Amino acid sequence: QKEVEQNSGPLSVPEGAIASLNCTYSDRVSQSFFWYRQYSGKSPELIMSIYSNGDKEDGRFTAQLNKASQYVSLLIRDSQPSDSATYLCAVDQFYFGTGTSLTVIP
Amino acid sequence: SQTIHQWPATLVQPVGSPLSLECTVEGTSNPNLYWYRQAAGRGLQLLFYSVGIGQISSEVPQNLSASRPQDRQFILSSKKLLLSDSGFYLCAWSDHSPLHFGNGTRLTVT
Repeated sequence: QKEVEQNSGPLSVPEGAIASLNCTYSDRVSQSFFWYRQYSGKSPELIMSIYSNGDKEDGRFTAQLNKASQYVSLLIRDSQPSDSATYLCAVDQFYFGTGTSLTVIP
Repeated sequence: SQTIHQWPATLVQPVGSPLSLECTVEGTSNPNLYWYRQAAGRGLQLLFYSVGIGQISSEVPQNLSASRPQDRQFILSSKKLLLSDSGFYLCAWSDHSPLHFGNGTRLTVT
């Protein structure tokens, strides 16, 4: 089974700062990568997908992919308290990491 | 647009009782369907996935089974629940794109 590793956190950042979330994966032939946000007690919701090396930006979110290093990250700029959630990394559609808990401190 | 329905939202069942959770998808044909479990404070564990009617793949040997009697219906079952079956059960669908999750069922086995 494909392994997807994330630091469980918790990660705390002050409001307005940049939050950086990281994910590594075991299968070097993996092709698709996703970030989901999960609020406590709720189901995950997709926030970003990335398929090729480099950066992909969507509003305050930037996903970064480095296939050679088997590494994918998510940057959240101008973090808001509403960004406080667990962020799940997924590889090849349905293999998930355990998630990183993010708290944005007002 | 596509929607996914999952019920019930919460369930409390005694050890040894049966289980049936249902999930239906609207607005798409022949979706891939998935059942995940999330234990408290843990990640998502893929339990079953299906690429078509009657086609079920199991990722983890366990006390559970799944069935897909219709194209857009996915059912998770157990004949006898264990305490370790407690968790947050999530149904999801995809059409070779990212997963889209239902609202989940929180199961507590007592």
